[in-house]
Amino acid sequence: NAGVTQTPKFRILKIGQSMTLQCTQDMNHNYMYWYRQDPGMGLKLIYYSVGAGITDKGEVPNGYNVSRSTTEDFPLRLELAAPSQTSVYFCASSYSGGAADTQYFGPGTRLTVL
Amino acid sequence: DQQVKQNSPSLSVQEGRISILNCDYTNSMFDYFLWYKKYPAEGPTFLISISSIKDKNEDGRFTVFLNKSAKHLSLHIVPSQPGDSAVYFCAASAGGSARQLTFGSGTQLTVLP
Repeated sequence: NAGVTQTPKFRILKIGQSMTLQCTQDMNHNYMYWYRQDPGMGLKLIYYSVGAGITDKGEVPNGYNVSRSTTEDFPLRLELAAPSQTSVYFCASSYSGGAADTQYFGPGTRLTVL
Repeated sequence: DQQVKQNSPSLSVQEGRISILNCDYTNSMFDYFLWYKKYPAEGPTFLISISSIKDKNEDGRFTVFLNKSAKHLSLHIVPSQPGDSAVYFCAASAGGSARQLTFGSGTQLTVLP
């Protein structure tokens, strides 16, 4: 069981470029999440998905897009990268959205926009 | 406006002693609270949680206390071990079909041998 995997681990983008952060889980979890963590701050929810084909905005969705075509994959798309998107991005998954249901996190992608 | 606050960015404790990490929240709708632990270059991992209907939950060396009237929770680690050195995040969630976690900014715990 690999759990939640994220690629790439690191990436440097120029302003205006676009990229997709990949996230895959092999735990057959229904719920998946994308968070960003800025230096000295807590994690903030960008988007989440409750199942294939269903996504919804979190606290900080501007500048990002997501899709969920399969249970396993939940890619995060950055269009027109900006320096404010420099952050560490974490993907997470959980079996359900219940309070007691643990969210499992991937190792993160460190993104720098110059 | 930070709804979950961890006011101590860092804490150093001697091995074998108690570590106490604190967290305050402002949103009265929060009904579930969690602590996550994070090592460098890894994602956060779940440590312990507590429902708002309880005031204490224990799991081995880890105990979480919740004071609803003060909107305050704390994590106690006894005894502290060098392997406990990590960043600890407090998180909270409110009711809903998909639990969105609101995180504090984290406390770096260093356990000195």
